[in-house]
Formats: sequence, C-alpha cells, structure tokens
Amino acid sequence: QVQLVQSGAEVKKPGASVKVSCKASGYTFTSYDINWVRQATGQGLEWMGWMNPNSGNTGYAQKFQGRVTMTRNTSISTAYMELSSLRSEDTAVYYCARGRDGDYDDYWGQGTLVTVSS
Amino acid sequence: SYELTQPPSVSVSPGQTASITCSGDKLGDKYACWYQQKPGQSPVLVIYQDSKRPSGIPERFSGSNSGNTATLTISGTQAMDEADYYCQAWDSFHVVFGGGTKLTVL
Repeated sequence: QVQLVQSGAEVKKPGASVKVSCKASGYTFTSYDINWVRQATGQGLEWMGWMNPNSGNTGYAQKFQGRVTMTRNTSISTAYMELSSLRSEDTAVYYCARGRDGDYDDYWGQGTLVTVSS
Repeated sequence: SYELTQPPSVSVSPGQTASITCSGDKLGDKYACWYQQKPGQSPVLVIYQDSKRPSGIPERFSGSNSGNTATLTISGTQAMDEADYYCQAWDSFHVVFGGGTKLTVL
C-alpha cells in the first residue's frame, strides 16, 4: 500500500534551517510528483511547492522562493524539503503529498511539526 | 494571484444534505478537488477532477464545478463527516487552496 512517512518533529531557533524528509513506499517513487504543504495551528493549508522525483524539476510558491529547496534521493525513495532563515511564523505542520495528474494529491504523509522558537 | 473563496462554516443536521462552495475566477475551466481534514489528522482526498470519488470514499460525497463555483455535496450527512473541508485547484503551475470550511453536524 502507498505510504509516505515523514521525519520527526523539529525545534529550531530563528534564522536556522530545517530539512524534512518524506520516504515513499508502495509505488514507483519516480512516477509521481511530490507536493509540500504546510499548516499553521488553527489555520488553513498552504502550498509550498512541487518536485518531480524523476527529473528533479521543482516549482515553488512565490512566497517561499529563495528560502525553500526541494530535493530527492531516488535510491532510497525519499523526498526532502529544506526551509531556511526560519522565523516564528514558520511554525507549522509540514506535509508531503503524492501528486496525481498535476491536479490533486491522493496520499499524504503524517505531517512533521516544525517549531521555531528562541 | 489566483484565489479560491470558501464560506468559513456550514452547519447541517444529521441525515440532511450539506453543500460547501468554492469560488474562483473561471474555476469551471480548471479541475477542482476537495480534501477532508479532521482534527489532528492529515487531509484526505474526497473528490478529484471535479466529481470523481477515490476508492473508499462513500457515495454520499459528490462534486460539481461550473462557471466560477465548485461545490462539494454531502448527502445524508453523518456525524463522522464533521470536519474541515478544503477545495484546491491549479493555476499557472501553482496549487491554490481555499481557506477551508468547517462543517458542523448538529
């Protein structure tokens, strides 16, 4: 069965970087895009960007351009999202999701809580 | 930038029909999908490509999309359907989410 398993919770200081991993199983990792979405406590879903695991091509939301980097390691079917220059407003649960047909996400990871606090 | 607008909240009595709207400029020209999210859980896809249901999603969930509005309809709403619902569409190679609608079943 398709699974996306994310890395554990992180606590970071302002100005630091965080790298969240998303390990895929149950399907061919390079056949589907990975989207990253975040959600602050009590708030809605916010799209951060997408990555094609086959080509490594990426597309980022304008809000995160210059601060986010999405990469992958195809040998271990794992996608990564790194966010730099963290500030308190980046405190949120970060999700990876499998993209389908450039339209929708059919499987989601369990989420990774990133807390930014001094 | 493209925006999707949802009502913040919708209330429905058990067994009745709930309708949640999502509005955006010429949204009917794009595919819309819907996610259900319960507290402390990851989103779950309930409708994709306007009106298709993923495997395992009950038939009471249906969707439509025309003009500027996509609609998620839940027929015979059950207590277990109480959740936040988000619409989503792609625009210019970017994903856009609606602000979410809290569905209360009372």
